[in-house]
Amino acid sequence: DTGVSQDPRHKITKRGQNVTFRCDPISEHNRLYWYRQTLGQGPEFLTYFQNEAQLEKSRLLSDRFSAERPKGSFSTLEIQRTEQGDSAMYLCASRLTAGTEDYEQYFGPGTRLTVT
Amino acid sequence: DAKTTQPPSMDCAEGRAANLPCNHSTISGNEYVYWYRQIHSQGPQYIIHGLKNNETNEMASLIITEDRKSSTLILPHATLRDTAVYYCIVRELNSGYALNFGKGTSLLVTP
Repeated sequence: DTGVSQDPRHKITKRGQNVTFRCDPISEHNRLYWYRQTLGQGPEFLTYFQNEAQLEKSRLLSDRFSAERPKGSFSTLEIQRTEQGDSAMYLCASRLTAGTEDYEQYFGPGTRLTVT
Repeated sequence: DAKTTQPPSMDCAEGRAANLPCNHSTISGNEYVYWYRQIHSQGPQYIIHGLKNNETNEMASLIITEDRKSSTLILPHATLRDTAVYYCIVRELNSGYALNFGKGTSLLVTP
């Protein structure tokens, strides 16, 4: 257990439905990242937050995807009008940035989404 | 970030050293080499990172060639629990950006 939790762990939904995932980072970590991982591939970056500010979004993050991190604590990732191609593992990671020190990212267990 | 090249898969006998290579010929002077691994159905886990000197921690050793164009992650006494996908990543220290994982090397440790 890394201290990063994600909920739910598994989600099965029908095409066209909306889904929302939650990530609770390690409490003192100011950076939070979302990644997506499809079968046989490494995780791919989606977006990241510095506290409550969303600083970067990948081209993978289509208009159907939205992420928030209110108050700089937990984060949610919502996918609207899901498509079968959205089926993947969605990973959350958090990290502390402080001065010149470099700290690694801690990953949660992921949410596996299956769109039928 | 510089690109990395890793073999897609490797085998290692339990108790033996696992040596996982990584090529990063376009690495720049301020980029570090990081290693993460991902055990099946879990999120990636940080292992080690280094700039140019060899590094060792409780999990592994990292050997970086003098020209920094390649490196080797060494698991000195592999166990069955080390079976995982290992990712070699090159990036700047304190880069706020996300990790660029690639496909990694799938290591199978056999009894």
